[in-house]
Amino acid sequence: NAGVTQTPKFRVLKTGQSMTLLCAQDMNHEYMYWYRQDPGMGLRLIHYSVGEGTTAKGEVPDGYNVSRLKKQNFLLGLESAAPSQTSVYFCASSYPTGGMDEKLFFGSGTQLSVL
Amino acid sequence: DAKTTQPTSMDCAEGRAANLPCNHSTISGNEYVYWYRQIHSQGPQYIIHGLKNNETNEMASLIITEDRKSSTLILPHATLRDTAVYYCIAISYNTDKLIFGTGTRLQVFP
Repeated sequence: NAGVTQTPKFRVLKTGQSMTLLCAQDMNHEYMYWYRQDPGMGLRLIHYSVGEGTTAKGEVPDGYNVSRLKKQNFLLGLESAAPSQTSVYFCASSYPTGGMDEKLFFGSGTQLSVL
Repeated sequence: DAKTTQPTSMDCAEGRAANLPCNHSTISGNEYVYWYRQIHSQGPQYIIHGLKNNETNEMASLIITEDRKSSTLILPHATLRDTAVYYCIAISYNTDKLIFGTGTRLQVFP
């Protein structure tokens, strides 16, 4: 199993450009998350999804959009990139068990720089 | 969901036990305490979790106080590779958005 795969691993954008980050998981997980991490900071939740076709806002959703058209994929879009969106982006997935065994599996991250 | 509070940073000598505290005074009866760690810029990694009993696995031990208002993650023999940021979070049956907080930066020194 590949687990959680994020593409691309690195990307450089110019201000105003758009792009989509792809997260794919092969564990049949219901829940998927997108986090961002700025240098020296903790993880901040951008958007999340509790199932196919559903999405919800996290702590810092502004400037991002997401879609979960297929259960295994969770896309994060930047319509008009800004330098403030320079960050490392992590995707994660989990299977809801009421907390009993709800381990999060993370991807290896995408380093995004907006110039 | 319960808010967790952790010290910003801690140091530990290699070979000694590292004890990382977490305060979760508002935790409810159905919320589990989970610990993750993030080494350098990698994705966070699951360590251990528990509800009210102490837990141990190959990575660490988790001690939860009887009133469940706080817990301690114990790395029994810290190595340099344990240098990382450690996150404590609470998860329950109705948890959907998982908020991580800033965690504790553990520095293990020779």
